[in-house]
Amino acid sequence: GEDVEQSLFLSVREGDSSVINCTYTDSSSTYLYWYKQEPGAGLQLLTYIFSNMDMKQDQRLTVLLNKKDKHLSLRIADTQTGDSAIYFCAENPPGSYIPTFGRGTSLIVHP
Amino acid sequence: EAQVTQNPRYLITVTGKKLTVTCSQNMNHEYMSWYRQDPGLGLRQIYYSMNVEVTDKGDVPEGYKVSRKEKRNFPLILESPSPNQTSLYFCASSLKGTGVLPYEQYFGPGTRLTVT
Repeated sequence: GEDVEQSLFLSVREGDSSVINCTYTDSSSTYLYWYKQEPGAGLQLLTYIFSNMDMKQDQRLTVLLNKKDKHLSLRIADTQTGDSAIYFCAENPPGSYIPTFGRGTSLIVHP
Repeated sequence: EAQVTQNPRYLITVTGKKLTVTCSQNMNHEYMSWYRQDPGLGLRQIYYSMNVEVTDKGDVPEGYKVSRKEKRNFPLILESPSPNQTSLYFCASSLKGTGVLPYEQYFGPGTRLTVT
């Protein structure tokens, strides 16, 4: 079957913006999620967006959703070294009880 | 404190020696699942459970067993571990989703398993 696609790595300089992209598979997914995995830890929900929204902003985080292209992005403004982590995109198609995760994007923030 | 706990956190074992990784949640969640995380492959679901005595295969169930005798516990059993099961394992739980509201998966801290 199709996979939720993400690029594996992203490297940015501290203070710059980071944009992590994701292509999901099911256009009927009601919610789309971003999870963050810090080194040595499990995943934690970072933010989510409802499918009838184009954008959601939460402090330094901006989520953009393009339903036509099934494209989701996470923008982190003023990226800090503490933002270094793996970021997973996830979708939950209707009728599916467990989300489908992408492979994760490793964000590396360097001084 | 709401949490998912896993034990052990680290385990080194030999091929063929049966082992169990425990998972427990204190949030009264209906859904629980097991994932393995491997470099370049992301998270792959092994098994999931929608409630007590209800379990189903995920994407990579071969070589694993699970049970759900109590709502809070969801152990992962490797009857005869092999080196290709060396991985980082995560247990997760969530409320029963309706598709109307978002629901969060809560993850345990992970168990790093090495099979030699």
